[in-house]
Amino acid sequence: SYELTQPPSLSVTPGQTATISCSGDKLGDQYASWYQQKPGQSPILVIYQDAKRPSGIPDRFSGSNSGSTATLTISGIQPMDEADYYCQVWDTSTAVVFGGGTKLTVV
Amino acid sequence: QVQLVQSGAEVKKPGASVKISCKTSGYTFTSYYLHWVRQAPGQGLDWLGIINPSGEFTVYAEKFQGRVAMTTDTSTRTIYMELSSLRSEDTAVYYCARAPLVGDPYFDHWGQGTVVTVSS
Repeated sequence: SYELTQPPSLSVTPGQTATISCSGDKLGDQYASWYQQKPGQSPILVIYQDAKRPSGIPDRFSGSNSGSTATLTISGIQPMDEADYYCQVWDTSTAVVFGGGTKLTVV
Repeated sequence: QVQLVQSGAEVKKPGASVKISCKTSGYTFTSYYLHWVRQAPGQGLDWLGIINPSGEFTVYAEKFQGRVAMTTDTSTRTIYMELSSLRSEDTAVYYCARAPLVGDPYFDHWGQGTVVTVSS
């Protein structure tokens, strides 16, 4: 079955740039999406089709996908960005696959 | 505005079944698939399956096949997810989520989640 690998955690200071990776076999051949989830809340879509932002998502959030790695970049980190982030793809054999999630801490 | 409103928390005994609803509004019901995703306490997101708006097409994750059933009531714009032969590992928050009909799925709206607790 298809698997996506994310770093379990990442710490950044306010104002810095956070880069969260998501790796999988030939991931660049598929569209990747990213979700933000804060404690006790439902996930929120922040990036879809590799690099598109839904309305209402700040342009501090950006995405890319090439080769075997998709990347979510959050620039000018703010305390409100502290959350868990999940990548997701559709695989023809496994259907919907989520990465294990990355806990972003703003310190 | 788009809304996916799920039914309330459930407590079930091992071996029982649970049926969760997800009532949709605020968009053209026939233009989106609905998916079910769950999240065990302290864990990541786990996909259960997909159903098309008319209920004629379903795909279930391999690990849940034989235990999960998804249905639709188009008259009320409500989808249902039933999970049977419950075990303690099924304790989780269950979400419904909307995805476009065309292209690789991404989930642009989610329900508020339904807590299912399986305990003897």
